[in-house]
Amino acid sequence: DVKVTQSSRYLVKRTGEKVFLECVQDMDHENMFWYRQDPGLGLRLIYFSYDVKMKEKGDIPEGYSVSREKKERFSLILESASTNQTSMYLCASSLSSSGTDTQYFGPGTRLTVL
Amino acid sequence: EDQVTQSPEALRLQEGESSSLNCSYTVSGLRGLFWYRQDPGKGPEFLFTLYSAGEEKEKERLKATLTKKESFLHITAPKPEDSATYLCAVQAEDNAGNMLTFGGGTRLMVKP
Repeated sequence: DVKVTQSSRYLVKRTGEKVFLECVQDMDHENMFWYRQDPGLGLRLIYFSYDVKMKEKGDIPEGYSVSREKKERFSLILESASTNQTSMYLCASSLSSSGTDTQYFGPGTRLTVL
Repeated sequence: EDQVTQSPEALRLQEGESSSLNCSYTVSGLRGLFWYRQDPGKGPEFLFTLYSAGEEKEKERLKATLTKKESFLHITAPKPEDSATYLCAVQAEDNAGNMLTFGGGTRLMVKP
């Protein structure tokens, strides 16, 4: 079974703090994704990566950066957290970028920025 | 621009009362349509992938169908444990990587 894990289920941070969210997958998948999910807005793609050290902006990259130093690990970084970044953050991975591959999701991190 | 619209936004059913959820989509060319189930506070769980019009897939009480413009998720004789939000997503042929466009979801509540 594909397993995607996220470093925290719940996180509370203060405005201006630097926040790291980590995601690990154990199936040697090439692609990894970061989404945020908000009521009424659905899932929105922040960044994705199709290879180590490669990254592409999604629909809402402002205020975020990412890092992928190893194939199995994809980090989302909030350089200076703001209250409008309070959200549910979901990581996903898929096998490859060729063809149609299912994205498998982690359990999510509920981030609250005070 | 790819678009996915799900209806209804919320659906209340009695246990055993069959119904269907709708996913309408607009893409330049469909590579795949995905259905996920999401329980409160958890990540989406993969259910089905459909690739071409006329295709159907089943899993327990769920059956997904696909036409050129929409997909239906039919729920037969639902049980309370089927209560969840059901998400639909599409992948377009001209999409970089495996990017998906998601609909807003249908929140299903099944009462005993």
